[in-house]
Amino acid sequence: DGGITQSPKYLFRKEGQNVTLSCEQNLNHDAMYWYRQDPGQGLRLIYYSQIVNDFQKGDIAEGYSVSREKKESFPLTVTSAQKNPTAFYLCASSMASGTSYEQYFGPGTRLTVT
Amino acid sequence: QQQVKQSPQSLIVQKGGISIINCAYENTAFDYFPWYQQFPGKGPALLIAIRPDVSEKKEGRFTISFNKSAKQFSLHIMDSQPGDSATYFCAARSGSARQLTFGSGTQLTVLP
Repeated sequence: DGGITQSPKYLFRKEGQNVTLSCEQNLNHDAMYWYRQDPGQGLRLIYYSQIVNDFQKGDIAEGYSVSREKKESFPLTVTSAQKNPTAFYLCASSMASGTSYEQYFGPGTRLTVT
Repeated sequence: QQQVKQSPQSLIVQKGGISIINCAYENTAFDYFPWYQQFPGKGPALLIAIRPDVSEKKEGRFTISFNKSAKQFSLHIMDSQPGDSATYFCAARSGSARQLTFGSGTQLTVLP
């Protein structure tokens, strides 16, 4: 089956710890994205990558870091510098060119930091 | 100018009724307007999308109406069903980038 997998589904961490969220896709998409979802605020873009070894900051990149060493993988690290890390994190992918604009989303990871 | 404003925040409709969700934007460079449906604990999934060169697009019970001059677009769900109960997000994309700008979401509840 083609799609996007995110693991784990639920993640709990103590304040002050860095944590890495996994995102893998087998859709052969060039572009990948990380969003944060909070109640009543929609989806906000954290980072995106249009090609391997390159990524760009989104609207709320502070306190987060990413890497794109492989086309199919785009892990997100939530660092201790992120002031309010508890949220639902969504990974997405899309074609980087052509006429298809659709973004496909993974099932999400709910991170709770106490 | 990058914002997409969505209303209402929540909506309750009787089974068989029409659900209407509205979005407005400012950035005239937006050239693709999708609607996503999200069930609790799941990722959003594309429902229907429209380009600004058409005023309406219909797929089954779902219709997007697009008013380019008013910079508004809306989702109509005809014959709403309890299974349609979900959160709906509008979004917009500018031609210069692949990122989507999302509205704040509408939680739809369809009563049986």
